[in-house]
Amino acid sequence: NAGVTQTPKFQVLKTGQSMTLQCAQDMNHNSMYWYRQDPGMGLRLIYYSASEGTTDKGEVPNGYNVSRLNKREFSLRLESAAPSQTSVYFCASSEAGSQPQHFGDGTRLSIL
Amino acid sequence: ILNVEQSPQSLHVQEGDSTNFTCGFPSSNFYALHWYRWETAKSPEALFVMTLNGDEKKKGRISATLNTKEGYSYLYIKGSQPEDSATYLCAFRIAGGTSYGKLTFGQGTILTVHP
Repeated sequence: NAGVTQTPKFQVLKTGQSMTLQCAQDMNHNSMYWYRQDPGMGLRLIYYSASEGTTDKGEVPNGYNVSRLNKREFSLRLESAAPSQTSVYFCASSEAGSQPQHFGDGTRLSIL
Repeated sequence: ILNVEQSPQSLHVQEGDSTNFTCGFPSSNFYALHWYRWETAKSPEALFVMTLNGDEKKKGRISATLNTKEGYSYLYIKGSQPEDSATYLCAFRIAGGTSYGKLTFGQGTILTVHP
């Protein structure tokens, strides 16, 4: 069982570059989430998708866009990367909003 | 902005000790309280989802209680083992349609169990 798969695992970008973080889940979950994890800040929700075809902002959405491509895939895009977006990004999914979330292994992103 | 407070921030115990830590959350508009265990270099793993006041959940040596009226949950570990060393996160979900599925996480309690 793959669960939640994130790619890439590591990435270094220059300020101003763009990139897309990919996330796919094979558990047929309806809801998917993107978080960032920074030292001393815990996990903060960037965007989430309650179901296929819907997306909504979380706590820290500025500088990011998302696409719920289909039920399996939820991507996170940085259009113009900034050093403040250096972080570890986690994708998660759940069967429904009331169910536990299953997390991917994370993407460590550094922006120089 | 919802405030989810975990204490203590870190904890060092000896193997065999029992320990507990706290998660505080808003007592109004409660929907659910989640507990996750996060080992270094891994991803968070769900322990419990608790929804009812007075709920008690147990998984092996780990158990949790919930008081929604006063806004706190306790996580207990009985007879700690070195493999219990991890960060324990709680997350609060508020009731309300526009917040469907959104969790607000605490900053975690880092537990280190010394052999």
